[in-house]
Amino acid sequence: SQTIHQWPATLVQPVGSPLSLECTVEGTSNPNLYWYRQAAGRGLQLLFYSVGIGQISSEVPQNLSASRPQDRQFILSSKKLLLSDSGFYLCAWSSGEGPYNEQFFGPGTRLTVL
Amino acid sequence: KQEVTQIPAALSVPEGENLVLNCSFTDSAIYNLQWFRQDPGKGLTSLLLIQSSQREQTSGRLNASLDKSSGRSTLYIAASQPGDSATYLCAVISNSGYALNFGKGTSLLVTP
Repeated sequence: SQTIHQWPATLVQPVGSPLSLECTVEGTSNPNLYWYRQAAGRGLQLLFYSVGIGQISSEVPQNLSASRPQDRQFILSSKKLLLSDSGFYLCAWSSGEGPYNEQFFGPGTRLTVL
Repeated sequence: KQEVTQIPAALSVPEGENLVLNCSFTDSAIYNLQWFRQDPGKGLTSLLLIQSSQREQTSGRLNASLDKSSGRSTLYIAASQPGDSATYLCAVISNSGYALNFGKGTSLLVTP
């Protein structure tokens, strides 16, 4: 069966510091990978998705970037965090057999920027 | 732009009741719709996926229906239990095929 891991589970960072969140998927090959953010009082919003190694699509302009160095690894980064980057970050995967597939989510990372 | 709305925002029911959660979307040209459950501080658990060609899907005590033409979906929970207490999220896939557009959820509390 497939499992998805995210770390760290919680993170408290000062404004202006860098960020690296990691997501890995087990039990599947060539998945589509996603980063979503859930901010207080707002719905979930897709930040980035990737259909393959090195391929990144951005849904919204922001202070963040994403990379996919390996097939089942997805990284969310920032060079300098803003207060508005606080939120709950969720990684998800779906079958790589095209779009429109069911998405499965990880446990999330709670980021607080002070 | 696709807008997804969930009503009610919060719901409290006594154990054993059957209940319905509502989801509406503005653009009926969807490919599929997913219902999720989110426990406090946790990730999302996929409950049901309905393809655009389907009218309903069932899993245990859960039944989800889809009416594309009217832009509506409902999640029916039979014989509710305290363990069903969570936030339920509805999401539709975008035309790109990758982005899920989420509603803000219905917070459900089932009291013993």
